[in-house]
Amino acid sequence: QKEVEQNSGPLSVPEGAIASLNCTYSDRGSQSFFWYRQYSGKSPELIMFIYSNGDKEDGRFTAQLNKASQYVSLLIRDSQPSDSATYLCAVYNFNKFYFGSGTKLNVKP
Amino acid sequence: DAGVIQSPRHEVTEMGQEVTLRCKPISGHNSLFWYRQTMMRGLELLIYFNNNVPIDDSGMPEDRFSAKMPNASFSTLKIQPSEPRDSAVYFCASGVPGLAGNEQFFGPGTRLTVL
Repeated sequence: QKEVEQNSGPLSVPEGAIASLNCTYSDRGSQSFFWYRQYSGKSPELIMFIYSNGDKEDGRFTAQLNKASQYVSLLIRDSQPSDSATYLCAVYNFNKFYFGSGTKLNVKP
Repeated sequence: DAGVIQSPRHEVTEMGQEVTLRCKPISGHNSLFWYRQTMMRGLELLIYFNNNVPIDDSGMPEDRFSAKMPNASFSTLKIQPSEPRDSAVYFCASGVPGLAGNEQFFGPGTRLTVL
């Protein structure tokens, strides 16, 4: 079992819709969770992190964490074609970092 | 700030040759990470330094790989001898430990091709 699981996609949404990206993790002791965006041929770019149960909002992005279910998600409101990228979920646990394989998001104009 | 700097950006070498990748972290960051990314295996953490000391090198695939951080502003990842299966994009990232663990900022990567 992988430490971090993501649906590889592609996830296709129309412009202006809400995109919902999901991630599950295997270690219940995991401490904090990160979402990165990676455009094709580029390096990962940090979007936001979360470490407490509940929601955390930053502009059009909302991260949601449910430790009981070992589940973290990223919502992108008012999706734009420029949001088309691969989104990587990362989990931190006692000096160990694990990345999911990423979900490819396509936002169609 | 210039961000994380990596060199070279592209490297093509032949099997058996030594390869050295270089990284300059963001000034003031005291954590440094080396990652490898391939289509098959995704993004894998190779080694993690904190205050120039290796904290976790369990991701280093084998003895052919070695990493050093002689000071706070420079790190190297060396592969000797290189093999075709080492072909990948190698990222260096730096960060500052905080409440959330470590927010990491990635360099542009080095695309390594071993023929």
